[in-house]
Order: sequence, then structure tokens, then C-alpha cells
Amino acid sequence: DAGVIQSPRHEVTEMGQEVTLRCKPISGHDYLFWYRQTMMRGLELLIYFNNNVPIDDSGMPEDRFSAKMPNASFSTLKIQPSEPRDSAVYFCASSYRGGNTEAFFGQGTRLTVV
Amino acid sequence: GEDVEQSLFLSVREGDSSVINCTYTDSSSTYLYWYKQEPGAGLQLLTYIFSNMDMKQDQRLTVLLNKKDKHLSLRIADTQTGDSAIYFCAERGAGNMLTFGGGTRLMVKP
Repeated sequence: DAGVIQSPRHEVTEMGQEVTLRCKPISGHDYLFWYRQTMMRGLELLIYFNNNVPIDDSGMPEDRFSAKMPNASFSTLKIQPSEPRDSAVYFCASSYRGGNTEAFFGQGTRLTVV
Repeated sequence: GEDVEQSLFLSVREGDSSVINCTYTDSSSTYLYWYKQEPGAGLQLLTYIFSNMDMKQDQRLTVLLNKKDKHLSLRIADTQTGDSAIYFCAERGAGNMLTFGGGTRLMVKP
């Protein structure tokens, strides 16, 4: 398996534009997590899904953020409208409930909102 | 809710041992993890320990768990410049969710 795949790797957009980040989890994993990493706040959990169902979205900063998981192999995180304070690295991770349940991370999407 | 705390920064000389510490609050944690993040990359699992263990050794890495004090540490023996990275402690709590600490930036001086 190629691991968790995120796209794009880098995104630069203007304030007010819609941004969509994409994630393909590892096949067979039943949990998917979206994290945001900034220097100021470290690594924050935004939302996670179990079997494509959102379980906890309490980390989503505001209504401008939304996440979907239409099937087991794809998830999106959307920001509309984007603001400069959304600039961060966004990570997607997936895990399987069995075993030691480690989370496997994607390479991240570095978002810059100007 | 759960909380995981780490010191922000650690600097060591090449060849010395590094010890990165972490405290957590969830007494029901079953697994505890150490992840490494190199510049421009995602987090990669370094090692993990099950909560009924006190110690785990894996080559240059030693993990110590004091469950009573809810304290986890990662010792890196013979630290190399390639070990320079951010190290995250994480615990698995309810709902299979991992709670991460803020990360400790390890700088290794030649």
C-alpha cells in the first residue's frame, strides 16, 4: 500500500477563496483523522470518522470548515471562505481498530492563504 | 478531556543520550506512542508501548512508562544529527482517538 495520500502537497490561495484538501486513507483502515499543525498551536485534531461517519468534529474551528467522507477511500476537508489565519499544514491520518491502532499519517498539505 | 504535555525544546550534543519527557492525564490509556516528524514530512511512528508494560527497548530507543505518575519518556542513545526532528508523544484514549502532545523539537549539535 502506498500509505495515506494527500493532495495537493502545497496550496496557495487568496483570502475568500474556497480550498479543498483531499485524502486517500490506507485500504482497510476504518478510522480517518484530519489534523492541523501550526507553530502557535501545535498539532490539533479537527475531526475524525469511523466507517465513513463523522464521530467528533469538536475540533473544527468554525463553520467555514467542513469535512466529508463519501466512501471508505476518500475524504475532503473544505474551507470556505478561506482566511490568512487558516494557513497551516493539514494532515490526514488513518488507522485500523485492531492491533496497536497506530495512526499512519500522510505527508500533509501546506496551505498558505494570502 | 485528555491532555498530553511535552517540553518544547531539547538540545544535545552528538553522541550524548537524549531524553524526551511526556505527561498525560487519561488513566484509561491503553497504548502510548512516540512519533517523529522530520522537516517537511508527516508524522511517522517510532515506537509504542502497551500500558501494562514499564519499559520497551528497540535498538537505540528506550521507552519508559510510569503509569502511576502518568509519565512517559523516550531515551535515544548515541544521538545522531539525523535524529534532529520534532518528537510527539500520543496516547490512545476512548474511541480509538489519539491525543497528541505539542511536540518536542530535538536539536543535535555536532
